[in-house]
Amino acid sequence: GENVEQHPSTLSVQEGDSAVIKCTYSDSASNYFPWYKQELGKRPQLIIDIRSNVGEKKDQRIAVTLNKTAKHFSLHITETQPEDSAVYFCAASLSNTGKLIFGQGTTLQVKP
Amino acid sequence: SQTIHQWPATLVQPVGSPLSLECTVEGTSNPNLYWYRQAAGRGLQLLFYSVGIGQISSEVPQNLSASRPQDRQFILSSKKLLLSDSGFYLCAWIRHTRDGYTFGSGTRLTVV
Repeated sequence: GENVEQHPSTLSVQEGDSAVIKCTYSDSASNYFPWYKQELGKRPQLIIDIRSNVGEKKDQRIAVTLNKTAKHFSLHITETQPEDSAVYFCAASLSNTGKLIFGQGTTLQVKP
Repeated sequence: SQTIHQWPATLVQPVGSPLSLECTVEGTSNPNLYWYRQAAGRGLQLLFYSVGIGQISSEVPQNLSASRPQDRQFILSSKKLLLSDSGFYLCAWIRHTRDGYTFGSGTRLTVV
């Protein structure tokens, strides 16, 4: 089955700096890669996603890149703000089941 | 618009007691439904998923079970809780297998 590895597990940056979180997946048939943000005690919220027919997607300060050959994808947050502090999860899925397999999460701390 | 309801929000149960967590989706039909568990400070583990009434797929062998008695209702149960069942339980749904999840607000279960 699919396995998703995510790193780093924790990331601390200064406000205004960029943050990058990386994930690798094992199943080359996976074709959908979302990213979720989870604030303390709350449900995960979808922040951006990318499908296998696209190499990069951007939404304001957030961007995601996908390298299908290497089977890895990354989340990039520019001009970080304290409210970006949260746990971020990557995930991968096969469209035939819709099952999402999540990475272990990255705790991002943005220092003011 | 579609909404997902999950209850209760918090639950404290003694070891050996039964469990029933309910999740319902409104505003859509024939959704795919998923149960995840998140242990403290950990990632999201897929427990069960369902693509239709009465159709349940189990991802992890354990003392939990799931049922889908109606199209938009998904129930997680246990006959006898273990200490290791403590965690944050999240229900999620998608309309199409290539969509991102929408999570319920979660149930924080503490087994004592």
